[in-house]
Amino acid sequence: KAGVTQTPRYLIKTRGQQVTLSCSPISGHRSVSWYQQTPGQGLQFLFEYFSETQRNKGNFPGRFSGRQFSNSRSEMNVSTLELGDSALYLCASSPREGRVKTQYFGPGTRLLVL
Amino acid sequence: AQTVTQSQPEMSVQEAETVTLSCTYDTSESDYYLFWYKQPPSRQMILVIRQEAYKQQNATENRFSVNFQKAAKSFSLKISDSQLGDAAMYFCAYFRGDDKIIFGKGTRLHILP
Repeated sequence: KAGVTQTPRYLIKTRGQQVTLSCSPISGHRSVSWYQQTPGQGLQFLFEYFSETQRNKGNFPGRFSGRQFSNSRSEMNVSTLELGDSALYLCASSPREGRVKTQYFGPGTRLLVL
Repeated sequence: AQTVTQSQPEMSVQEAETVTLSCTYDTSESDYYLFWYKQPPSRQMILVIRQEAYKQQNATENRFSVNFQKAAKSFSLKISDSQLGDAAMYFCAYFRGDDKIIFGKGTRLHILP
């Protein structure tokens, strides 16, 4: 099976712009979670989508939003970018059904805000 | 709220030796999952090992094994016969099935040749 894929891998934006990141889960996985990783804050949970519905949400401002499509692919959007949004954004997918709860991560999108 | 604590920010081990990374967590739940993830310089998070709380037997994956002490809420990772490719950031994580996964701050492991 192909792993979790994320596009783009690298992105440079300027303050005030908006950005959309994409995540394609492992085939058959219906849950997609997003994380922000920074040196100072570590790994922080953004949100999780399951069957096109947001299941959980972390403590991030409303500038961070996401959605999931019927094929389980997910997008994350950040509007009005700030310098502090520079981070590695990781996506993870999981079957979320039965007892298998393991999350499998994609390679991440590195976002730099100038 | 659940928390995960990794008390060792950095560790070093000689190649071929054994090293143990510590992790403690806090939860009032009885059914949950614990993971160790490895993040090498490529930044790709790789699952190392998984433990289901209802299983008393410690999980093992080749050179990697855990010491799961449910009552003590401790979940340490033992790496035997350390190899240069084991150098990475290691994250301990807690996951209760219907909630978000919670990561520790990580332990950076250096392998000395």
